[in-house]
Amino acid sequence: DIQMTQSPSSLSASVGDRVTISCRASQSVSTYLNWYQQKPGKAPKLLIYGASSLQSGVPSRFTGSGSGTDFTLAISSLQPEDFATYYCQQSSIPPPTFGGGTKVEI
Amino acid sequence: QITLKESGPTLVKPTQTLTLTCTFSGFSLSTSGVGVGWIRQPPGKALEWLALIYWDADKRYSPSLKSRLTITKDTSKNQVVLTMTNMDPVDTATYYCAHTPSIAIRLDYWGQGNLVTVSS
Repeated sequence: DIQMTQSPSSLSASVGDRVTISCRASQSVSTYLNWYQQKPGKAPKLLIYGASSLQSGVPSRFTGSGSGTDFTLAISSLQPEDFATYYCQQSSIPPPTFGGGTKVEI
Repeated sequence: QITLKESGPTLVKPTQTLTLTCTFSGFSLSTSGVGVGWIRQPPGKALEWLALIYWDADKRYSPSLKSRLTITKDTSKNQVVLTMTNMDPVDTATYYCAHTPSIAIRLDYWGQGNLVTVSS
């Protein structure tokens, strides 16, 4: 299985901050990389697919970049509703695998 | 709009078989490219992909759990069923079903989740 490693595992930030989260794959996944946001007690929500395509309805302050093995999710100006846990997921080589998550805290 | 909802037991005993049903609306599982998958999340831990079935009945399983999992679909009822045999306390988790619009799996709609506790 392809291993997905996220860093950091948690971070503290303030409203208005620019935040970046990294995801590294154990082998190339091309651009078959998705990002999800999960709030406590809720199902994950798809933010970014294909490494950089914004899912419909997701604010433009979320951007994804990268290809191959290294990817980044950036939040340009953190909003109160963005405090959550973020997961990356590769869909290049079965089985699809998730990263361990990054918790964004105040 | 697309909705999915999981149903099934909240408590199962060790060694029992878990059966979960995902009932969906707003799409057809006979449309080319579409799939429905199952993902679980133990309390306080990360997401783990379990299985997925595509519109053409192609099935994919997590290699580590393949011997215990079966996924089926009933297109006429808009349902996908997951069974997991020989349940153990480590299988305690919230089980989600989710929709993917393409073979390159991206889970764009999720159910609310079904917390399953494995305990005697």
